[in-house]
Amino acid sequence: DVKVTQSSRYLVKRTGEKVFLECVQDMDHENMFWYRQDPGLGLRLIYFSYDVKMKEKGDIPEGYSVSREKKERFSLILESASTNQTSMYLCASTGTVNTEAFFGQGTRLTVV
Amino acid sequence: GENVEQHPSTLSVQEGDSAVIKCTYSDSASNYFPWYKQELGKGPQLIIDIRSNVGEKKDQRIAVTLNKTAKHFSLHITETQPEDSAVYFCAASNGFSGGYNKLIFGAGTRLAVHP
Repeated sequence: DVKVTQSSRYLVKRTGEKVFLECVQDMDHENMFWYRQDPGLGLRLIYFSYDVKMKEKGDIPEGYSVSREKKERFSLILESASTNQTSMYLCASTGTVNTEAFFGQGTRLTVV
Repeated sequence: GENVEQHPSTLSVQEGDSAVIKCTYSDSASNYFPWYKQELGKGPQLIIDIRSNVGEKKDQRIAVTLNKTAKHFSLHITETQPEDSAVYFCAASNGFSGGYNKLIFGAGTRLAVHP
C-alpha cells in the first residue's frame, strides 16, 4: 500500500518558534508538494520539489522554507511561527508528470 | 499564474439525485484536470482525472467533462449515496513530459447527501 506519512497529526507551537513539519513517501516519487488548507480557500501551494535539493516556490511561500536532502523526505520549515500560520498542512507526492498525487493525512498546526 | 475557481462551495442533495460541481481555469496551457475527494480526517484522494485531449471520461457513477475553449470542466455524480458526502476539489496542471507540474486546486465543494 502506497504511503505518504506526515510526522504529526496535531501540533501546538508558540509564536516565534521554529517549526519543522516532516513528510516521507515510500513510492520513489520525484515530485513532492506542501499545501496549506484553510476553510473557503481550498489547498494553496506553499512549495514543491521536483528532485533532491531542488525546490520551487508555490503561491504562498512567505514565512516558509523547505528542505529536500533525500528523495523520500520533504520538510516544511516555519522560520518564526506566527498565529496566521495556524492551519492544516498537507504533503503530497507524484511520480511522473500529470499523474495521481498521493496525500498524507495532514498536520493540524496551532500557533499560540 | 494559474487560478482555478470552483462552484458551488456547498451542495446538498437527496440520495439518488445527481450532483454537479463546476470549475474554471485561467491558464490555457493547462493539460491535466484531476478531481479529489476528501473525507473527514483524511487527506484528499483521486477519484477521476481527464487530460486535455479528451472531452469526457466516465467511471461508474462518476463522470468528468472538459471544455477547453471555455476553460471549464465539471464533475458529475449520478445516483448519489450518503457515502458520497465529502469535500471535493478540482485541480489543474500544466505539466509537460520531462518537466515538472504544479498542481493548483480550487477552493472545494462540500457535498452533503441526505438519505
